[in-house]
Amino acid sequence: GAGVSQSPSNKVTEKGKDVELRCDPISGHTALYWYRQRLGQGLEFLIYFQGNSAPDKSGLPSDRFSAERTGESVSTLTIQRTQQEDSAVYLCASSLASGANTEAFFGQGTRLTVV
Amino acid sequence: GENVEQHPSTLSVQEGDSAVIKCTYSDSASNYFPWYKQELGKGPQLIIDIRSNVGEKKDQRIAVTLNKTAKHFSLHITETQPEDSAVYFCAASKGGNQFYFGTGTSLTVIP
Repeated sequence: GAGVSQSPSNKVTEKGKDVELRCDPISGHTALYWYRQRLGQGLEFLIYFQGNSAPDKSGLPSDRFSAERTGESVSTLTIQRTQQEDSAVYLCASSLASGANTEAFFGQGTRLTVV
Repeated sequence: GENVEQHPSTLSVQEGDSAVIKCTYSDSASNYFPWYKQELGKGPQLIIDIRSNVGEKKDQRIAVTLNKTAKHFSLHITETQPEDSAVYFCAASKGGNQFYFGTGTSLTVIP
């Protein structure tokens, strides 16, 4: 597609359940980023992929969070045993990463609500 | 690691006036500084960016300035319009690594 696509756009889940959030980056973009945005707050870095590998996982808040990327394309962010504090908008972005800085394009986000 | 601070957190201006948002960063190796606009319920959209070999860049009503010595950069919006109302984020990056974002500025343009 023309832009970064995230699904679902909204997800309501019960506390303790696992959720999977999907990101389809712009075709050809080798870098992919996941951010978390709590209500009224800034963007909290979670993880960064270069190709299918994640050189920087430093932002993952706990071992309940994991992410993978396959085919240098789609990425999935998995949250296990969800907690109410996981409620937030999860944003994915992609960029060309050839060693030079290029802009990151964001998706619309997945709004996760844990009840 | 990099630390980006952004001020003010909220800003209200009258339509037609100018708005200025300022950011500072800590890592002198950062060399790419984008600004994003986020409207309610949407993802951030890039509005302008600047690289470290440039001191100022302008695009119609929007301009960004960079002072590498002082490690700060600013967004200037002139002749503000109600549709400029949004949350604005600055960011800093170095060489294909992650982007470090400021905490955002909620801009309200009063008609």
